Amino acid sequence: AQSVTQLDSQVPVFEEAPVELRCNYSSSVSVYLFWYVQYPNQGLQLLLKYLSGSTLVESINGFEAEFNKSQTSFHLRKPSVHISDTAEYFCAVSPSGNTGKLIFGQGTTLQVKP
Amino acid sequence: KAGVTQTPRYLIKTRGQQVTLSCSPISGHRSVSWYQQTPGQGLQFLFEYFSETQRNKGNFPGRFSGRQFSNSRSEMNVSTLELGDSALYLCASGGGTPNTEAFFGQGTRLTVV
Repeated sequence: AQSVTQLDSQVPVFEEAPVELRCNYSSSVSVYLFWYVQYPNQGLQLLLKYLSGSTLVESINGFEAEFNKSQTSFHLRKPSVHISDTAEYFCAVSPSGNTGKLIFGQGTTLQVKP
Repeated sequence: KAGVTQTPRYLIKTRGQQVTLSCSPISGHRSVSWYQQTPGQGLQFLFEYFSETQRNKGNFPGRFSGRQFSNSRSEMNVSTLELGDSALYLCASGGGTPNTEAFFGQGTRLTVV
């Protein structure tokens, strides 16, 4: 079975500061890894994904995540956050490549303060 | 192209009743998945349908069921509602094959009173 652990339930940070949201996973098979973002009263939006290849993946809005197989981690980082990044972030794994079944972590609320 | 559409957006039901939620996937997508989101349990996978067949199932009681039609639209049904079924129910559609992204709808907020 697969599981995902997001180590921080809330991360407060000041605007323009760097941030890291931590995610660890457990799986006995190869997985695909994802970060989703959820704004209030909205569904989930894909932020970035790791399927294979380069272990560093980037999104168009400045976030990046690095897949570390030895540490079974997929931490999300941004060098400088904006107020608009305030949202809940979910790390997820897709066992055996079936993106129809995602196993989510408990979520991390990023609170960006002015 | 149009995104994933879930109807209704909000629903209030009484304990013991049943409810049906609907999800229209992105055109061309054959996979539809359902998730339950609650503050206590987070996001939990309910089931996935692919080409009208249930392909995966989560760990939920039999009161939760679903189906998919030939046009890929999907419905989820919950019978004998309990207070604990109050949640945001999210539908996701995808190509159903590896490397294809899952796109989420805005969800149906179900409140059981």
